[in-house]
Amino acid sequence: DVVMTQSPLSLPVTLGQPASISCRSSQSLVHSDGNTYLTWFQQRPGQSPRRLIYKISNRDSGVPDRFSGSGSATDFTLKISGVEAEDVGVYYCMQHTHWPLTFGPGTKLDIK
Amino acid sequence: EVQLEESGGTLVQPGESLTLSCAASGVPFSTYWMTWVRQAPGKGLEWVATIKEDGGEKYYVDSVKGRFTISRDNAKNSLYLQMNSLRAEDTALYYCARVTRGSASTIWGQGTLVSVSS
Repeated sequence: DVVMTQSPLSLPVTLGQPASISCRSSQSLVHSDGNTYLTWFQQRPGQSPRRLIYKISNRDSGVPDRFSGSGSATDFTLKISGVEAEDVGVYYCMQHTHWPLTFGPGTKLDIK
Repeated sequence: EVQLEESGGTLVQPGESLTLSCAASGVPFSTYWMTWVRQAPGKGLEWVATIKEDGGEKYYVDSVKGRFTISRDNAKNSLYLQMNSLRAEDTALYYCARVTRGSASTIWGQGTLVSVSS
């Protein structure tokens, strides 16, 4: 199984400051079709998860452009250019290339 | 409005069975793979199972293989999770989700709580 790791697991951030979350996979996430199915989800307190980014760097409709994704193969990053209060929550990376699908452990972002 | 609504979660004893349901509305249900994801209290997300559009392919996390069965009824726009031989470690909020790889939106229900305890 592909093991997903994230760092940091806890991320206190000052409002307006940037934030960065790293996600690493135990094997390449490049699919045989050439795509890399690395997804980022946000889960706000008390809410269901919401997808932010798919295929490494594609933002979902309605996701603010302060969120961006980058990376390749086994090493990925989610960046928030300037954290807002509504960004508090847990962020998960997930690989959708190999079965079984696997999530990272989550990074809890809160306001310092 | 696109919606997924789970039901069927309850308190059961270890070893018992339970079936969860997920009703889809406002979404072309039959054209998408559907997934169950669970979240134990205070823990992270865990993928449980996924089923292809026509039900012809099913995938499970190892910890539920042989105990859980994912199924769907496209005529009823419904997804199911039959859970047998339940264990304490199956206690979680179970989400029904359309988890897509590409640009089609990923949709989650609000979850239904399964508690396994004697």
